[in-house]
Amino acid sequence: SQKIEQNSEALNIQEGKTATLTCNYTNYSPAYLQWYRQDPGRGPVFLLLIRENEKEKRKERLKVTFDTTLKQSLFHITASQPADSATYLCALDRQNAGNMLTFGGGTRLMVKP
Amino acid sequence: EPEVTQTPSHQVTQMGQEVILRCVPISNHLYFYWYRQILGQKVEFLVSFYNNEISEKSEIFDDQFSVERPDGSNFTLKIRSTKLEDSAMYFCASSEWGETQYFGPGTRLLVL
Repeated sequence: SQKIEQNSEALNIQEGKTATLTCNYTNYSPAYLQWYRQDPGRGPVFLLLIRENEKEKRKERLKVTFDTTLKQSLFHITASQPADSATYLCALDRQNAGNMLTFGGGTRLMVKP
Repeated sequence: EPEVTQTPSHQVTQMGQEVILRCVPISNHLYFYWYRQILGQKVEFLVSFYNNEISEKSEIFDDQFSVERPDGSNFTLKIRSTKLEDSAMYFCASSEWGETQYFGPGTRLLVL
């Protein structure tokens, strides 16, 4: 069956360091992969989309890589700030399926000052 | 910046009652979605809607659920006879081209 795995344990890092979050998937051929941020009690907020034919994408302090051979995406936040503390979700689009997104369980990031 | 809005923010209902959750998608978007998130669990897809019809639905979206776009701006999710296990946060999302999805703030539904 299809599976999307993110580190379920919280990631604690010091302010200014780079946070790296992992998303692994199995039994999937996504057309693209998206990363969202979710704060407690709020809706997911779109951050970045990367397509299957793209290796890397950047937006300000964010960088996403997508390796369809390893079936893995890495999400990096450089020069992290306490305001970056949140849960980060990866979501995959299942091709030919009404554009439904399938979400991973999320990784909680805590950036300490 | 345009946003997806949802009403109400909180809804408490008795088991067996009908509830309607409302969403106003971003105005030029063509694709609409409902997701739910049970407390502490993953965001789960319920249904997608395009061109005035359902394009995909999950196993969760059974006969108790229905969606409607009653006018040019609103998109609703109806649960006909609520069960205790329907208690969750319900998110509406919209998309211009069917890729990036923009989520609303959610409606927290509590079924007693």
